[in-house]
Amino acid sequence: DIQVTQSPSSLSASVGDRVTITCRASQGIVHYLVWFQQKPGKVPNLLIYGASTLQPGAPSRFSGSGSGTDFTLTISSLQPEDVATYYCLSYYGGPRAFGQGTRVDIK
Amino acid sequence: EVQLVESGGGLVQPGGSLKLSCAASGFTFSRHSMSWVRQAPGKGLEWVAVIIPDGTQEFYVDSVKGRFTISRDNAKTSLYLQMNSLRVEDSAVYYCAKDWIGESIPLFDYWGQGAPVTVSS
Repeated sequence: DIQVTQSPSSLSASVGDRVTITCRASQGIVHYLVWFQQKPGKVPNLLIYGASTLQPGAPSRFSGSGSGTDFTLTISSLQPEDVATYYCLSYYGGPRAFGQGTRVDIK
Repeated sequence: EVQLVESGGGLVQPGGSLKLSCAASGFTFSRHSMSWVRQAPGKGLEWVAVIIPDGTQEFYVDSVKGRFTISRDNAKTSLYLQMNSLRVEDSAVYYCAKDWIGESIPLFDYWGQGAPVTVSS
């Protein structure tokens, strides 16, 4: 089965900073990757699907890129409301696989 | 409005069984794959199982293979997770989620509120 490695596990950045989170799949998954934001006590919120398609309603400062094995979530200008844990999920083939999560804080 | 409502969670002893249900509405349930995802307290998200629209194929995370069974009833627009031989490490909030329907269509865009499962003696 496919494994997904997400990094970093946590990061701290200033408001307005550009933030990048990466996911690497153990084998090629084409573009079958989604990104979620999860705030404490809440269900995950879909940000990006198909590796790069912004979910309607998600802020435009979020973007996704990549294909094959390497993927990136970018927050172009970090805002206080972006404090959360971010997860990627592979949905190539049958089994799905989450990355380990990245906790994002404000410095 | 899309709604996913889980039920059936609770406290069970190690080795016991529990069946979760997820009642779906507001979308064409019979055309979507459906997944179960769990999250242990203070831990990350873990995908558990997926079932394709006609119910003829299922996939599981290795840690639950042979113990959990995902199923669905399209006539009742309901998803199920039968959990047997439960272990302490299965304790988590279990979510059902709307999964794949086709290319360029959002998936995992709707989740239930979660059903807590505690495995403890």
